[in-house]
Amino acid sequence: GESVGLHLPTLSVQEGDNSIINCAYSNSASDYFIWYKQESGKGPQFIIDIRSNMDKRQGQRVTVLLNKTVKHLSLQIAATQPGDSAVYFCAETWLGFQKLVFGTGTRLLVSP
Amino acid sequence: EAQVTQNPRYLITVTGKKLTVTCSQNMNHEYMSWYRQDPGLGLRQIYYSMNVEVTDKGDVPEGYKVSRKEKRNFPLILESPSPNQTSLYFCASSPEVFRSDTQYFGPGTRLTVL
Repeated sequence: GESVGLHLPTLSVQEGDNSIINCAYSNSASDYFIWYKQESGKGPQFIIDIRSNMDKRQGQRVTVLLNKTVKHLSLQIAATQPGDSAVYFCAETWLGFQKLVFGTGTRLLVSP
Repeated sequence: EAQVTQNPRYLITVTGKKLTVTCSQNMNHEYMSWYRQDPGLGLRQIYYSMNVEVTDKGDVPEGYKVSRKEKRNFPLILESPSPNQTSLYFCASSPEVFRSDTQYFGPGTRLTVL
């Protein structure tokens, strides 16, 4: 598969545990945030998004938390499964612009 | 099947030899974008296009050109490739830029410039 990051921070968890992946964003003007999952050899895949007028949003097994005060975003994955093993990226953008700025990514390793 | 296709998937070339990486989507999406992905740097946006004949620079446009003559195609052109353009490239499309839940990424093109 493709090497997406040789020096990525890595989070190792056991199957069934809850995982928390963190992201610090850079632009205080950013008002829309997205989490992506990238499996080896594939392009990024949308997981969940959140707008800045919210501080929490839940999906299926995933929750995104946004703390605008400290410019921090987190992705919580409940009951982590081996199929969740991938690299996770946060991305930020701002309404009225078309640019998407990605974080550097975190590798999640889930062992059975 | 809704998809974004890129060609070629793998390319090894030499410095200075012009090349084009094609990107095509079959979903009638208005927004298309090119990214490069490098170890430790994540994905960085090269160029994007809001619609036909409308393109704009992303964060790392130097050394690249794009065109959007048709809605479905958004080729990435490297007029004179250099080794620092060795990277993994992704094309993406979405109906509108702020609908990331319907953004599709292509499978990637691994480019090596010797």
